[in-house]
Parts: sequence; C-alpha cells; structure tokens
Amino acid sequence: NAGVTQTPKFQVLKTGQSMTLQCAQDMNHNSMYWYRQDPGMGLRLIYYSASEGTTDKGEVPNGYNVSRLNKREFSLRLESAAPSQTSVYFCASSEFRTERTFFGQGTRLTVV
Amino acid sequence: AQTVTQSQPEMSVQEAETVTLSCTYDTSESDYYLFWYKQPPSRQMILVIRQEAYKQQNATENRFSVNFQKAAKSFSLKISDSQLGDAAMYFCAYGASYGGSQGNLIFGKGTKLSVKP
Repeated sequence: NAGVTQTPKFQVLKTGQSMTLQCAQDMNHNSMYWYRQDPGMGLRLIYYSASEGTTDKGEVPNGYNVSRLNKREFSLRLESAAPSQTSVYFCASSEFRTERTFFGQGTRLTVV
Repeated sequence: AQTVTQSQPEMSVQEAETVTLSCTYDTSESDYYLFWYKQPPSRQMILVIRQEAYKQQNATENRFSVNFQKAAKSFSLKISDSQLGDAAMYFCAYGASYGGSQGNLIFGKGTKLSVKP
C-alpha cells in the first residue's frame, strides 16, 4: 500500500521562483493537510481540506496556495518563494476524525 | 485554542534503561485524542502510541507506554528497555475527536532522544 505519496523529496529554489508540491493518497480519506516543520517548532498546519472541493487556512497560510484536485490529490503551491519558506513540508491524510492520520515522507525545500 | 508543550528539548538514556518524555496540553474539550510520534533521521512520521481521552486505562504498545493524567492535562511517554533504534525526535500531538472539527493535529515542539550504547 502506497499510503500518502508526496513529490518531490528534495527541492532547491531561488528566491522568487514558483513551484508546486504534489500529494496523493490512496486510502479514500476525506481530509488532507499540509504541514511545515521548522527546527524547534514542531509541525504547523499550513492548509487543510476537509473534503473534496473545500480548503481552509491553518496556522501559517501566508505565501501558499492549495488545490484539492480530487479526493486523492492535494497540492501546495508557492507562487514566489522566499527564504523564510525554507522548511520540511509534510502532506497528511485522515478520516474525518484524527484518530488515524497518515503522513507522507516529507519534502525538504531550500530557498536561496 | 489548544496547545501542546514539551518542556524537554533533549533527553539522553543508556541502552536497556528506561526514559520518560513529558508532555502537557491545554484544551477545554472533554473528548480528544493524544499521540506520540517518532521521527527518525529519515523524516518519516511514525505513530508510536495513541490515547483516547475518554479511556482511563493508559495505552501500551510493547516497550512504549503512557501515563495519561486527564485532570492534570499531562501525557508522558515511557520507553522501557531502550534500544539504539529508539533514538529520534519524539512529538506529542493533540487531536480533536468531535465531528465538525477541522481534523488536524496540534504538535509540541519535540524532544530529541539520544540512546547511548
């Protein structure tokens, strides 16, 4: 079982460049999430999607956009990357409640 | 808003010994979930153990057990017979359980556990 698959695993961007992080899950989950992890900060929620067709801001949404393309896929876009967006990004999915949350492998993004 | 606090940025334990990682949280809800996740250098987030707040019995998974004190809002993780493979970052997390919640987890800042041979 693939679970949650996110791509790419590593990326280096120049300031001002744009990119999209892709995420797909094969567990038929309704809810999907994007988190960022910074040293000493734990994981913080960027955006989430409770169901297909809906998205909402989390704790740190500035500088990001998301698209819930269908039930399987939830992408995160950086329109104009900034050094402050250097982080590790995790996609996750769960059933409606949080008792079972599954994470992707993470993307290490460096903005120079 | 719910918060999760891990007061120990780093901990160290001797192989085969026992170590306890601390976590406190704040919530006004009566029903929720609490989790401990392990993150090795591979970055993968691995669920170690889960506790449902309405269950008084402490959860146990092999060498891992929790001490859940609901009134004190405390949720510590005990690792017995520590192994070298236990070395990792450990995150405590809170999750709402009621319908209508946004469903995300709220994480503490983590505790880095080192295991000495």
